[in-house]
Amino acid sequence: SQQGEEDPQALSIQEGENATMNCSYKTSINNLQWYRQNSGRGLVHLILIRSNEREKHSGRLRVTLDTSKKSSSLLITASRAADTASYFCATDAGYSTLTFGKGTMLLVSP
Amino acid sequence: DAGVIQSPRHEVTEMGQEVTLRCKPISGHNSLFWYRQTMMRGLELLIYFNNNVPIDDSGMPEDRFSAKMPNASFSTLKIQPSEPRDSAVYFCASSLGGAGNTIYFGEGSWLTVV
Repeated sequence: SQQGEEDPQALSIQEGENATMNCSYKTSINNLQWYRQNSGRGLVHLILIRSNEREKHSGRLRVTLDTSKKSSSLLITASRAADTASYFCATDAGYSTLTFGKGTMLLVSP
Repeated sequence: DAGVIQSPRHEVTEMGQEVTLRCKPISGHNSLFWYRQTMMRGLELLIYFNNNVPIDDSGMPEDRFSAKMPNASFSTLKIQPSEPRDSAVYFCASSLGGAGNTIYFGEGSWLTVV
């Protein structure tokens, strides 16, 4: 069963705009991770945020975590056409495995 | 590093045939995962190995599915007999220390059962 649920399911923006994707989960977690998947490829790890962290940055990516609301957000600033992909959140609820949501499909138009 | 290597990348097989998917994890990683991805169900964990031992196989759909990890550098996922509903992308992934750290995915094996 899905632990994390991304919102929106699909997002279409113009190059240069910011993209925000949200993830909600149901049970307490140790960490939350975001992954990216280009069409026809495997998933690539973007960022990991632990349950005791509230915000993390990596280049143009910013991830926030609100454990009281059981939610996380991924912000991609100054988006590029190459950011077009599906983005997944995944949670580790302490069982040494990751449970993935169904993803947000991001389309960045030039 | 070569990353997680999966084979075959694509396979088309007839219903009832045996399918074997192969995975070579990243050297030094002690955790290995098999996931299945479909449009309807998203990414589902099938089985998780730690130090070559199956720890969680609750996601294996049924007895037609089996997975082995005979050593730290090789794992197989077998479907026998295959059915059309098994058509999916099967991903192998590995990590050092389970899901508390980054999990590295292979490029997937695209299976079509006709």
